[in-house]
Amino acid sequence: AQKITQTQPGMFVQEKEAVTLDCTYDTSDPSYGLFWYKQPSSGEMIFLIYQGSYDQQNATEGRYSLNFQKARKSANLVISASQLGDSAMYFCALRTGANNLFFGTGTRLTVIP
Amino acid sequence: ETGVTQTPRHLVMGMTNKKSLKCEQHLGHNAMYWYKQSAKKPLELMFVYSLEERVENNSVPSRFSPECPNSSHLFLHLHTLQPEDSALYLCASSQDWGLMGSSYNEQFFGPGTRLTVL
Repeated sequence: AQKITQTQPGMFVQEKEAVTLDCTYDTSDPSYGLFWYKQPSSGEMIFLIYQGSYDQQNATEGRYSLNFQKARKSANLVISASQLGDSAMYFCALRTGANNLFFGTGTRLTVIP
Repeated sequence: ETGVTQTPRHLVMGMTNKKSLKCEQHLGHNAMYWYKQSAKKPLELMFVYSLEERVENNSVPSRFSPECPNSSHLFLHLHTLQPEDSALYLCASSQDWGLMGSSYNEQFFGPGTRLTVL
């Protein structure tokens, strides 16, 4: 069975600081993908970053980077230089086999001015 | 319109009503998805359509009935719902569905329909 765990229900970060959101996963499939999505209060899920299980390097997209530790089965999201607009729910998701996503329970990030 | 749109954005219905949620994607994708997001629970995949064929049905009660008339449109027909069905219903699309391995093929989501069942 596939499983995604996000152990931080809420996080606070000072504006312009970096923050790490934790995500661990469990799968027996050798080939899988890991996604991070942002969900602002408007409800829409916004794709942020993707890491494939065979990717040799950690993924980066602008201020977002993914700290992928395959042996530990963790895929933490790092947001650098936090902005007020980063306040939202953040979801980690695992994809194995067909393109079905298994989501974690999310982390609510609040950026403090 | 660009991306994935959903209508209505908010819906309040009684348990005996029949209503439909609509999703439209303007991305030329081949796969579309319905998810349910309840408070304090992970998103739950409900249905998947690939090339207008239903390929996944995750033990969803029959009071939810999906329809995919073409690759751009997806409906979720609702009838005799229960109060516990109140949730945010999200539609998504992706280029393809199937064995993805570790390739990209991210899903693009619509803004959702906030459903309240009285």
